[in-house]
Amino acid sequence: GAGVSQSPSNKVTEKGKDVELRCDPISGHTALYWYRQSLGQGLEFLIYFQGNSAPDKSGLPSDRFSAERTGGSVSTLTIQRTQQEDSAVYLCASSLAGLNTEAFFGQGTRLTVV
Amino acid sequence: AQKVTQAQTEISVVEKEDVTLDCVYETRDTTYYLFWYKQPPSGELVFLIRRNSFDEQNEISGRYSWNFQKSTSSFNFTITASQVVDSAVYFCALRGSGSARQLTFGSGTQLTVLP
Repeated sequence: GAGVSQSPSNKVTEKGKDVELRCDPISGHTALYWYRQSLGQGLEFLIYFQGNSAPDKSGLPSDRFSAERTGGSVSTLTIQRTQQEDSAVYLCASSLAGLNTEAFFGQGTRLTVV
Repeated sequence: AQKVTQAQTEISVVEKEDVTLDCVYETRDTTYYLFWYKQPPSGELVFLIRRNSFDEQNEISGRYSWNFQKSTSSFNFTITASQVVDSAVYFCALRGSGSARQLTFGSGTQLTVLP
């Protein structure tokens, strides 16, 4: 497809389990971002990739969160030992490399930790 | 550090009224970029407009217009003759030119247009 694709769209997991969220960016977009949006809240920045490297990991809330990007394309966000406070919509976005380019967002993965 | 403030958490208007959404930003960068996004009930964020800090020309696009004023660090968004389909959460965002490349978002304004 032409847009940013995220999978799964919904994920329910038990507290303490690990989860992996996937993001397929728009072809040719070298920049990739992960954000988190809790119910009724704004967007919380998690991590930014330029190519395969992550120059900015400042937003990851704890060491249970990690992300990688391979081949300058697909990215996975992994949450280990999930907690109920991890429940949120996880949004991925991609853009061209320039600072003045807009980011295009996927539809998000709704994560529910029970 | 970058910061975006959207003081209006919720706005309700009646269809055909004009409505302005406020955005105030803070950055130490001399070059920066401002954006507006719309998040309808379906949840996917939709890009609306981008503005560079060195381009203060305001713009009108159909029913939408934007007012960028560096002197007051504001980037306000106006919808004229609002429609029910305009109901959504609107986010203002900022990207600086320093090492922080991410978009910093405001907390959003929930706009409800009543029929």
